[in-house]
Amino acid sequence: DTEVTQTPKHLVMGMTNKKSLKCEQHMGHRAMYWYKQKAKKPPELMFVYSYEKLSINESVPSRFSPECPNSSLLNLHLHALQPEDSALYLCASSQAGSPRGETQYFGPGTRLLVL
Amino acid sequence: TQLLEQSPQFLSIQEGENLTVYCNSSSVFSSLQWYRQEPGEGPVLLVTVVTGGEVKKLKRLTFQFGDARKDSSLHITAAQPGDTGLYLCAGAGVKAAGNKLTFGGGTRVLVKP
Repeated sequence: DTEVTQTPKHLVMGMTNKKSLKCEQHMGHRAMYWYKQKAKKPPELMFVYSYEKLSINESVPSRFSPECPNSSLLNLHLHALQPEDSALYLCASSQAGSPRGETQYFGPGTRLLVL
Repeated sequence: TQLLEQSPQFLSIQEGENLTVYCNSSSVFSSLQWYRQEPGEGPVLLVTVVTGGEVKKLKRLTFQFGDARKDSSLHITAAQPGDTGLYLCAGAGVKAAGNKLTFGGGTRVLVKP
């Protein structure tokens, strides 16, 4: 099973709302990722968790707050977003510790619209 | 900073024709992944190549990893409308900088029936 699940599929929120995106995998992977993707562009890395610890924050604004409650779950908490934050948010996972780079498996994404 | 140049940016072909997408870099990658993505969906892994000179086949798709592990190509034989999508290559650095992938800019493929 190489499935990463994400909820919700679609989300519309106002600039004053607080919402959360959820990601889950049961492949035993110990690295999990959040990406942001704008139309017709490749995914841009936001955060990496390795063994449930935040290992990379790509200078993401604090209105995005990641959380890794356990090795299977990854959340992205959203607060006071701007319209330009509207995008497809992708979660991915991979085995950690491979010396030859790691294949990342992506979820279906959450399409976020900020009004 | 590692860069991965992907070409062409867009390909429009008729059903039954062949096509090739290229990813090139001046950097060495420890592995390279190819994905296909449909609008509004997440990228779906097609293949991972790890050995220089490696060739992998997946039905009508042939993937090559360059001998020096700096470049890769994807060749589709007798393309079908179901092959339409955004093709992304992504490389993992030799130093595996915190599991970061370097993505190419993507190739949008349209196969017309």
